[in-house]
Amino acid sequence: SQQGEEDPQALSIQEGENATMNCSYKTSINNLQWYRQNSGRGLVHLILIRSNEREKHSGRLRVTLDTSKKSSSLLITASRAADTASYFCATDPNTGNQFYFGTGTSLTVIP
Amino acid sequence: KAGVTQTPRYLIKTRGQQVTLSCSPISGHRSVSWYQQTPGQGLQFLFEYFSETQRNKGNFPGRFSGRQFSNSRSEMNVSTLELGDSALYLCASSRMTGVTEAFFGQGTRLTVV
Repeated sequence: SQQGEEDPQALSIQEGENATMNCSYKTSINNLQWYRQNSGRGLVHLILIRSNEREKHSGRLRVTLDTSKKSSSLLITASRAADTASYFCATDPNTGNQFYFGTGTSLTVIP
Repeated sequence: KAGVTQTPRYLIKTRGQQVTLSCSPISGHRSVSWYQQTPGQGLQFLFEYFSETQRNKGNFPGRFSGRQFSNSRSEMNVSTLELGDSALYLCASSRMTGVTEAFFGQGTRLTVV
């Protein structure tokens, strides 16, 4: 399978704490994107990091990318109960918009 | 601006029937891709269309097909439905191919009984 893997599979934290989730992938990529999915609904785009970038910030989100290790991490700072969701990384090794998704991390933020 | 719209949101079909799902991309987006999400297999790529042409296809049987119209709207069709086709089908649109964000619709929940 060309899908990536997220680690951990599940994460439970208290509101206000930081949450870190990791993504590993198998092939070279053009860019990597992170998405959030609330129970059974569509995917919400969070952030895109290009293969020549190492770190990117967006609000409370910080993403890093290490192409030598084929891995990425997503840090959510000062978590809120509304951050409770599943988080997926998606890579596109081809020129088209064909994405390979990781297995997802289920984040629970306890109020 | 309006997001990606998928219709219908929910669908129940019987084994052996066929189904057509619709996706209207964000205005100005020309690339549409489709994904199947199941608890066991996760998110899997079905196919991608750009300017009415299928550019990429995932590893799904020929019962799964799609098309894109000149206004970039896309449909996917599944014929001879099987129980295992029960899934959330997601559509994503992008402005162009290459390095660009992909935005997803809310999905169509298909249940095959």
